[in-house]
Amino acid sequence: SQQGEEDPQALSIQEGENATMNCSYKTSINNLQWYRQNSGRGLVHLILIRSNEREKHSGRLRVTLDTSKKSSSLLITASRAADTASYFCATDGLNRDDKIIFGKGTRLHILP
Amino acid sequence: EPEVTQTPSHQVTQMGQEVILRCVPISNHLYFYWYRQILGQKVEFLVSFYNNEISEKSEIFDDQFSVERPDGSNFTLKIRSTKLEDSAMYFCASNPRSGNTIYFGEGSWLTVV
Repeated sequence: SQQGEEDPQALSIQEGENATMNCSYKTSINNLQWYRQNSGRGLVHLILIRSNEREKHSGRLRVTLDTSKKSSSLLITASRAADTASYFCATDGLNRDDKIIFGKGTRLHILP
Repeated sequence: EPEVTQTPSHQVTQMGQEVILRCVPISNHLYFYWYRQILGQKVEFLVSFYNNEISEKSEIFDDQFSVERPDGSNFTLKIRSTKLEDSAMYFCASNPRSGNTIYFGEGSWLTVV
């Protein structure tokens, strides 16, 4: 299975602190994507990192990818209350029209 | 910014009834998907669709389910003879080409009673 698995399952931090979430997967990939989901809402795409990339930034987000360890991390700097959500990594496979498979997600709670 | 739109946002249906969930993918996207998320659980792949046919489906996507792209814009998921365990959020997604960002709609909540 190419499924990603995030850890921790849940994370509570103070507003202003940095939040780090990790994702591990099992098979070779073309790319890995991170999504955010607010409670009961849709999946919002945050960032895509390709297998030949090691790090990518988007605003307060920093994503790393280590294909040798089959792992990725999502760092949110200077967290805000609005960052409270579930965060999922999703991996594709090597097939050209492959779907993406989601991990179980990390529930992030930012404390005021 | 273009987005995937889904209707209805919420549907309540009697067990045994048929349900059709509708999606309008982003224009010029070529790959289409349905996923579902049972409350409190992970997002599960159901089916992918490309070039007017199913390209891959999961074990969940049995004969009870079907997908169709009846015209150039809509992409539907039909669930026949709904069961209580079909209650979930169903997400439609689209992708301009393989290996790119997959964009999701806001989802359709299905409650089977």
